[in-house]
Amino acid sequence: DGGITQSPKYLFRKEGQNVTLSCEQNLNHDAMYWYRQDPGQGLRLIYYSQIVNDFQKGDIAEGYSVSREKKESFPLTVTSAQKNPTAFYLCASRPRGQGTDTQYFGPGTRLTVL
Amino acid sequence: GQNIDQPTEMTATEGAIVQINCTYQTSGFNGLFWYQQHAGEAPTFLSYNVLDGLEEKGRFSSFLSRSKGYSYLLLKELQMKDSASYLCAVRDGAGGANNLFFGTGTRLTVIP
Repeated sequence: DGGITQSPKYLFRKEGQNVTLSCEQNLNHDAMYWYRQDPGQGLRLIYYSQIVNDFQKGDIAEGYSVSREKKESFPLTVTSAQKNPTAFYLCASRPRGQGTDTQYFGPGTRLTVL
Repeated sequence: GQNIDQPTEMTATEGAIVQINCTYQTSGFNGLFWYQQHAGEAPTFLSYNVLDGLEEKGRFSSFLSRSKGYSYLLLKELQMKDSASYLCAVRDGAGGANNLFFGTGTRLTVIP
């Protein structure tokens, strides 16, 4: 089946540790995105990549890093510099183009920093 | 920048009709999307509008007025499973990025 996978669904880490969230898609989509969702707030864009080996900062990139070495994969690292990392993290992908092409979301990873 | 507003919460009765409004301000409007999100799950696509007017898809319809910066999602014949958050998102084509900017979401509770 085609789709987007994120693992794990729940992740616990100690304060000060870096953690990497995985995102894989087999939809052959060019563009991939990382969002953060907090209670009472909309999805906020962390990083996005429109093509392999290229990525751009979103609105809240501080304390995060990404890589896009393969079309299928867009891992997100939450570093110790992120001051409030506990949140629900969503990965999405989209075909590169215009029109009705929407973003398709993975199931999300809920990160809790203790 | 982008500014997207929608009500925080709404309650409606099973079988009824509910309208969820969204107003937006953006410099490079390139489409408006509605997503449904059940608690703890991923958003799923409901509808897309880029031209003025009404788009109907089964029990769900979405309307857009670009001149007013306004959209609504209309849900008919409400079912209990429609209890979820509904996210309004505007695609901004400025700079060629075509990124989505989301409102805070409207949490709809359907009561018997």
